[in-house]
Amino acid sequence: AQSVTQLDSQVPVFEEAPVELRCNYSSSVSVYLFWYVQYPNQGLQLLLKYLSGSTLVKGINGFEAEFNKSQTSFHLRKPSVHISDTAEYFCAVSEAEAGTALIFGKGTTLSVSS
Amino acid sequence: GAVVSQHPSWVICKSGTSVKIECRSLDFQATTMFWYRQFPKQSLMLMATSNEGSKATYEQGVEKDKFLINHASLTLSTLTVTSAHPEDSSFYICSASPGSSSYEQYFGPGTRLTVT
Repeated sequence: AQSVTQLDSQVPVFEEAPVELRCNYSSSVSVYLFWYVQYPNQGLQLLLKYLSGSTLVKGINGFEAEFNKSQTSFHLRKPSVHISDTAEYFCAVSEAEAGTALIFGKGTTLSVSS
Repeated sequence: GAVVSQHPSWVICKSGTSVKIECRSLDFQATTMFWYRQFPKQSLMLMATSNEGSKATYEQGVEKDKFLINHASLTLSTLTVTSAHPEDSSFYICSASPGSSSYEQYFGPGTRLTVT
C-alpha cells in the first residue's frame, strides 16, 4: 500500500516570493506521482505528474517538481508566486500501473498575500 | 478533451431519503471510475473503484449497502447515498480513467451533499 505525507498543512508567502510545498511518499512498488490544485468548491486540476524518465517535471502555471527516489520525495516549487496561486494543493501517488486509484496527501493550503 | 461532469453540483436532502449523483465522461470512454469523498478542509478519501459492467470494489470502512455504485456504461457511473444522514454530508468527487492501459484520471467538479 502507498501513503503520502504533505509536511506542511499551511504555507503563507508574499507575492513574487518563491515557494516549495513538500511531499513524501512511501511504497513497496514503483509509483506514479502527481500534484493537483483545488480552488474553493471546485474539483481537482492536474498541475504535473511524474511517470518515468527525467526527475524534474514541469507543469502548468509555472510549477515544477522534482522526483527524488532515494528520499522518496516529490516537492513542488514555483520561483515566483501570484495572488491567484492561493489554493489547496494535493500530492498524490498511485501504483505504476494503469487503472489504479490515487492516494492523496492531506493537502497544503498555499496563501499568497501582497 | 477529457471532460468529466457531475450532476447535481449541489444537493440538499432530508435525513432518511436517498440521493443519486451522476458522473459522466463526456468525450471519452471510461473503463474505470473512482469515487472519492472529501470532508471540509481535508483530503480526498477513496471510497470505491468501479469498472464498467462489474461490481464496485469498496475501500475498507465504506458501507457498500449505503453507498451504491453502478457503472452501467462506459460513460456513466452513479453513486446513490441511501437513507442519508447528516454525517453523510460531504463533497463527493468522481474521476474517470480512459482505459485499462491508462494511468490518467480526470476529475469531475464534485457534488456537495448536505443532509438536513
